Amino acid sequence: NAGVTQTPKFRVLKTGQSMTLLCAQDMNHEYMYWYRQDPGMGLRLIHYSVGEGTTAKGEVPDGYNVSRLKKQNFLLGLESAAPSQTSVYFCASSWNGTGNTEAFFGQGTRLTVV
Amino acid sequence: AQSVTQLGSHVSVSEGALVLLRCNYSSSVPPYLFWYVQYPNQGLQLLLKYTSAATLVKGINGFEAEFKKSETSFHLTKPSAHMSDAAEYFCAVKPQGGSEKLVFGKGTKLTVNP
Repeated sequence: NAGVTQTPKFRVLKTGQSMTLLCAQDMNHEYMYWYRQDPGMGLRLIHYSVGEGTTAKGEVPDGYNVSRLKKQNFLLGLESAAPSQTSVYFCASSWNGTGNTEAFFGQGTRLTVV
Repeated sequence: AQSVTQLGSHVSVSEGALVLLRCNYSSSVPPYLFWYVQYPNQGLQLLLKYTSAATLVKGINGFEAEFKKSETSFHLTKPSAHMSDAAEYFCAVKPQGGSEKLVFGKGTKLTVNP
């Protein structure tokens, strides 16, 4: 059981380039999330999805887009990367978003924008 | 908006000593509460969660947390630290009433000295 898998694990981009981060979960979870982690800032929610075909903005959505075409996949896109987007990105999923349902996390993608 | 405060970005203890990591939440209605651990270069793993069934919650690896409504706190403790406990610990909250979003504190990095 793989859980939550993120690809790639590392990436270096030049300013202005685009890329897509892929998150896949095999637990049949309804909810999926993208967070970014920066030193001293904890994890901040970028976008999330409450089901296939739905997306919503989180705390820091600017400069990112997402899609949830299939229930098991949640894609995070950077259309024109900026150095401020250098971060570690985590995908998470949960059965639903209510109550004390916990989220399961992937291993992270370390992105550097130069 | 719901927020969570972790007092102390770095905590250092000796092996065998008590571990105490502090977490306070901001709402008057107790939210759902979680503690996650992140080992170096890994994703987040659930340590424990508050379910309202009991104020003292036991988690994995000997950790426990006590919910104190009067103090709006959910501090994490372990009686005797082990070298393998060195990691970053995150407190997270999810407001009661149907919010899908998990809000994280900024994290506390625990160092265990031999």
